[in-house]
Amino acid sequence: DAGVIQSPRHEVTEMGQEVTLRCKPISGHNSLFWYRQTMMRGLELLIYFNNNVPIDDSGMPEDRFSAKMPNASFSTLKIQPSEPRDSAVYFCASSADISSYEQYFGPGTRLTVT
Amino acid sequence: AQKITQTQPGMFVQEKEAVTLDCTYDTSDPSYGLFWYKQPSSGEMIFLIYQGSYDQQNATEGRYSLNFQKARKSANLVISASQLGDSAMYFCAMRLSGGYNKLIFGAGTRLAVHP
Repeated sequence: DAGVIQSPRHEVTEMGQEVTLRCKPISGHNSLFWYRQTMMRGLELLIYFNNNVPIDDSGMPEDRFSAKMPNASFSTLKIQPSEPRDSAVYFCASSADISSYEQYFGPGTRLTVT
Repeated sequence: AQKITQTQPGMFVQEKEAVTLDCTYDTSDPSYGLFWYKQPSSGEMIFLIYQGSYDQQNATEGRYSLNFQKARKSANLVISASQLGDSAMYFCAMRLSGGYNKLIFGAGTRLAVHP
């Protein structure tokens, strides 16, 4: 299995630009999670999906952030407009189903907003 | 409130020695799960071990074991026979209640293994 795939691995953009992060979960996994990791706040869950449906988006910091999962094999996290404080590593993770305890993380996308 | 606390920002250990990384948690739910993840310098998050709140025995996975003391609300990770490749950040996490696989993470402990 290829594992969770994220793209791009690194993204540098200017403040005000739109940023789209992509994730392909492990084939057959029904739950998908987006996390953000910063030095100040550590690892935070932003949103998670089950069977392509958003279950809890209470961790999404503000309206500039949006996430979609149009099908079982693809999800996006979009920031529009981006700000320097959005600089972080964004992880996508998947698990077999909503009750499975093991989450498999992707390699992360390191976002830098200048 | 549900919370994970890792009080050791950094630890070091000699190669081949054992080391314990501390984790305490706070929850009022009777059913929960506790996890440890490893994050090497390359950045990926690697699942190490899981302990369910109703599990009678401490979880073990190879050189990793979880010292689960329910009454003290602690879930310490023990790494035996440390290797240089064990140098990394280690995160303790708790699965929240409600049947959903939602995790909250501690701040992490950076482990350095010295030759």
